[in-house]
Amino acid sequence: EAGVAQSPRYKIIEKRQSVAFWCNPISGHATLYWYQQILGQGPKLLIQFQNNGVVDDSQLPKDRFSAERLKGVDSTLKIQPAKLEDSAVYLCASSLPGLARGITDTQYFGPGTRLTVL
Amino acid sequence: QQQVKQSPQSLIVQKGGISIINCAYENTAFDYFPWYQQFPGKGPALLIAIRPDVSEKKEGRFTISFNKSAKQFSLHIMDSQPGDSATYFCAAPDTGRRALTFGSGTRLQVQP
Repeated sequence: EAGVAQSPRYKIIEKRQSVAFWCNPISGHATLYWYQQILGQGPKLLIQFQNNGVVDDSQLPKDRFSAERLKGVDSTLKIQPAKLEDSAVYLCASSLPGLARGITDTQYFGPGTRLTVL
Repeated sequence: QQQVKQSPQSLIVQKGGISIINCAYENTAFDYFPWYQQFPGKGPALLIAIRPDVSEKKEGRFTISFNKSAKQFSLHIMDSQPGDSATYFCAAPDTGRRALTFGSGTRLQVQP
């Protein structure tokens, strides 16, 4: 079974530039998550999708970050304009909602995109 | 919002020894506490999780112990192996939203 795919793996940009990350979840997984992992910290949830709809985006800095999940499959996360503090690994994860359709579903993570903002 | 405090930040253990990582949480809407393992350059992967109608769960060399009254849970790795060298994250359900809050991670190094 193919895992969660992310691209690019690495990205270096200047501050105030824009950047986009792409995620392809495991086939059949309705729930998709974007996390930000700053060096030395645990992943922090930015946004969660259930199919096409947003379940939670309370931690997403909406003035500069945006995300979409077209057709309930692939997703893109965009940052515009980037700041120095956005340097982090951006992880995408997906899960197959169980009977409880809740956070006890196992999340499968992709390898992440390492973003460096100079 | 949930706060999860994880300790120690780093841990060095000899091969065959026991590795113990601790986590404390503030509040939770319900009980579900997973541990994730992350190798360099990889995303985290679920290692073991407990849904505490029990106070302990064991899977092979990995055991989660849960103390609900103290709001603490821990991961024990028995007979630690060099292949266990990784960063370990605990997590706890957030309050008020359907999300996990992760601890800050413990970098485990098992020396041969």
